[in-house]
Amino acid sequence: RKEVEQDPGPFNVPEGATVAFNCTYSNSASQSFFWYRQDCRKEPKLLMSVYSSGNEDGRFTAQLNRASQYISLLIRDSKLSDSATYLCVVNGAGGGADGLTFGKGTHLIIQP
Amino acid sequence: DVKVTQSSRYLVKRTGEKVFLECVQDMDHENMFWYRQDPGLGLRLIYFSYDVKMKEKGDIPEGYSVSREKKERFSLILESASTNQTSMYLCASSSPAGFYEQYFGPGTRLTVT
Repeated sequence: RKEVEQDPGPFNVPEGATVAFNCTYSNSASQSFFWYRQDCRKEPKLLMSVYSSGNEDGRFTAQLNRASQYISLLIRDSKLSDSATYLCVVNGAGGGADGLTFGKGTHLIIQP
Repeated sequence: DVKVTQSSRYLVKRTGEKVFLECVQDMDHENMFWYRQDPGLGLRLIYFSYDVKMKEKGDIPEGYSVSREKKERFSLILESASTNQTSMYLCASSSPAGFYEQYFGPGTRLTVT
């Protein structure tokens, strides 16, 4: 069974701190990787794709380690508005037409 | 911007009723999906479709069916609603050109009493 595992948290982090999440995936043939953000009682929204070379978008950095089959998300200078659940998402070996496998999410709470 | 809309934000139905949940996307995406999301269980795939009139079972298709008569519209049908189908239902769409990232609708919170 294809699995994506995340620490559910919650992570309680002071505003301005740096926080990192990891997730592991079981399907070594997975081809694409994403981080989604989900606010309470809202739909998931794409935060960023994760590329093999690693990528950065403002305060957010995503890394992929294929050898160890994990993906990470680093948030620098955290803001109160970063409080949300972060979903690690991996596609199937078939290229994505069979949908994505979602982790259950990591709950982040930024405290003032 | 991709827009995915769902017919209702909140729905209350009685046990045994037939329930239709509609989803429409405006970006000409080939792939469409229906998920349900429950606390502690995360997102679970019910059905998906990669073309008009095509459908594939996801992880939890029992008790559900789908219809895709037009490319932009994907419907989820609960033939006879049961209380264990009370959940948040999320529709999503994706295009191969977008490297398969999915875009979600706002969700329908269904309560079956």
